[in-house]
Amino acid sequence: EVQLVESGGGLVQPGRSLKLSCLASGFTFSNYGMNWIRQAPGKGLEWVASISSRSSYIYYADTVKGRFTISRDNAKNTLYLQMTSLRSEDTALYYCAREYYGYKGVMDAWGQGASVTVSS
Amino acid sequence: DTVLTQSPALAVSPGERVSISCRASEGVNSYMHWYQQKPGQQPKLLIYKASNLASGVPARFSGSGSGTDFTLTIDPVEADDTATYFCQQSWNDPRTFGGGTKLELK
Repeated sequence: EVQLVESGGGLVQPGRSLKLSCLASGFTFSNYGMNWIRQAPGKGLEWVASISSRSSYIYYADTVKGRFTISRDNAKNTLYLQMTSLRSEDTALYYCAREYYGYKGVMDAWGQGASVTVSS
Repeated sequence: DTVLTQSPALAVSPGERVSISCRASEGVNSYMHWYQQKPGQQPKLLIYKASNLASGVPARFSGSGSGTDFTLTIDPVEADDTATYFCQQSWNDPRTFGGGTKLELK
């Protein structure tokens, strides 16, 4: 069974940093591209960042470019999102999602999300 | 960015057919996908590349469209289909989502 489990969320002050992790199991993690998507309370979905299977290609939304860094450790089956200079508008539930093999941008498995609250 | 426009809400009775639309501000080829999100849950892939049913998704769900206009159809609707449905495109960068259509059962 494919499983994605996010961790590392919490309450953080504006301007501070936080690092999310997503532990994958049930599939060969190193074969798949991965994404972070966020959802502000009561709002829709916003794609945040994506990374190819071997980290060769990395993309960010303009809203987080220069502040967030996506990375992965294929030996540990883990995806990361390092978030710096956090703002109140970064408050959201952050999902990691697997990219459907061979189909660009199709997200076929999602974690349950990690909650990030940016507030003083 | 490619803006995806969905109607905010629909209400239908069980057993009826419902069509949920998504209009893109520019062409996305066939790279339009649909997700279902029930309250308190993560999104679930229903349809990929406009008309392909994702694994394990009931055949009551279907997708159609190309270019800028796409439709998710549920026929017949069941009580368990109460959820918000999001379209998403991945043809143009950045990937974008529609605002979601909340489906309520009468």
